[in-house]
Amino acid sequence: KNEVEQSPQNLTAQEGEFITINCSYSVGISALHWLQQHPGGGIVSLFMLSSGKKKHGRLIATINIQEKHSSLHITASHPRDSAVYICAVRPQGGSEKLVFGKGMKLTVNP
Amino acid sequence: NAGVTQTPKFQVLKTGQSMTLQCAQDMNHNSMYWYRQDPGMGLRLIYYSASEGTTDKGEVPNGYNVSRLNKREFSLRLESAAPSQTSVYFCASSPSPYEQYFGPGTRLTVT
Repeated sequence: KNEVEQSPQNLTAQEGEFITINCSYSVGISALHWLQQHPGGGIVSLFMLSSGKKKHGRLIATINIQEKHSSLHITASHPRDSAVYICAVRPQGGSEKLVFGKGMKLTVNP
Repeated sequence: NAGVTQTPKFQVLKTGQSMTLQCAQDMNHNSMYWYRQDPGMGLRLIYYSASEGTTDKGEVPNGYNVSRLNKREFSLRLESAAPSQTSVYFCASSPSPYEQYFGPGTRLTVT
């Protein structure tokens, strides 16, 4: 079983829809990262969080440490949000190593 | 600031050939990482360096060596390339333990 599971694996939405991407993990963590990989291949860090909620523009990330679950929400989705969204966790223990989920491919149609 | 740069962008090798992937960052970050990304799999850590002069193995280190030449540069060497090493390789850096900043990737094909 992977330590980091993302669902769904693929999602197609219409422009303007509210989108939720889920991430579950099975180990104790010190932080969770959300990353975005553009169709051209570049990877950008969106959020790093260890508790609660963070917001940046139309993106909101939440984490529930007790339930070992995080969600990334996209409000008023746009075709430029089409990308692969990757969840990664930093396990407890002081290591800097991240463990990555397989990613979720989002396509937003106009 | 260029951020994290990687060279080359693309490379084709024959089985048994060697090559070095170069990575440099200009953000004065302590930590640097090498990952590989394969279809249907998440990013997997090959090696990382927490500071100049130190390196440590990740999840998939076999067949690779690394050098942290100085604070800016972290290179990945394939001594004898194999088809199983066909992948996209990403370098990243971090002002640990915070967000990681990724390079544009190197697409490597071993025939």
